[in-house]
Amino acid sequence: DAMVIQNPRYQVTQFGKPVTLSCSQTLNHNVMYWYQQKSSQAPKLLFHYYDKDFNNEADTPDNFQSRRPNTSFCFLDIRSPGLGDAAMYLCATSRDYGARDGYTFGSGTRLTVV
Amino acid sequence: SQQGEEDPQALSIQEGENATMNCSYKTSINNLQWYRQNSGRGLVHLILIRSNEREKHSGRLRVTLDTSKKSSSLLITASRAADTASYFCAPSEGAGSYQLTFGKGTKLSVIP
Repeated sequence: DAMVIQNPRYQVTQFGKPVTLSCSQTLNHNVMYWYQQKSSQAPKLLFHYYDKDFNNEADTPDNFQSRRPNTSFCFLDIRSPGLGDAAMYLCATSRDYGARDGYTFGSGTRLTVV
Repeated sequence: SQQGEEDPQALSIQEGENATMNCSYKTSINNLQWYRQNSGRGLVHLILIRSNEREKHSGRLRVTLDTSKKSSSLLITASRAADTASYFCAPSEGAGSYQLTFGKGTKLSVIP
């Protein structure tokens, strides 16, 4: 089945130690998004790629970076995780901007910072 | 982009009852989407209603849209324990609008 896969499902990292979260898709969608969702809060968009074009949200901290080496993969790098970065990180894709079949989400990676 | 606001924040019902949750938004939209999120999982796209549609059905789901009131509702009929989840609405300004902005959602608990 075509889908969005996030690895790992759970990630524990040490305070200040760089960590990378992974997302892959078999949908061949143009757009890939990264959202951060803290407990009982709304998912918050960090950035997205349209094909190879990177688009950062204005309030995304510099500590967060992303890479999209090809259509299928997108990575979220947190350079120096703080305790406040503990959250669920959600990857999503869409066929195009404003696509009427909506977004397809992965199952998320829950990040714990110790 | 604009954020939808879901109401109520939490809803608890017995299995077999209907669940209704509402969404309000502020400016003109091209479409409005509803998503479900099971605890600890990603969001799942449920249904999209276009601005020129008033009602749409998908299985046990019924979505209405009132553009004059800038509001939408999601009705789940004959609820099941498996419907327990958070439900989010996402108004979209359509083509060229790159992002969906989610509110805090409605947390639905269906009691067996």
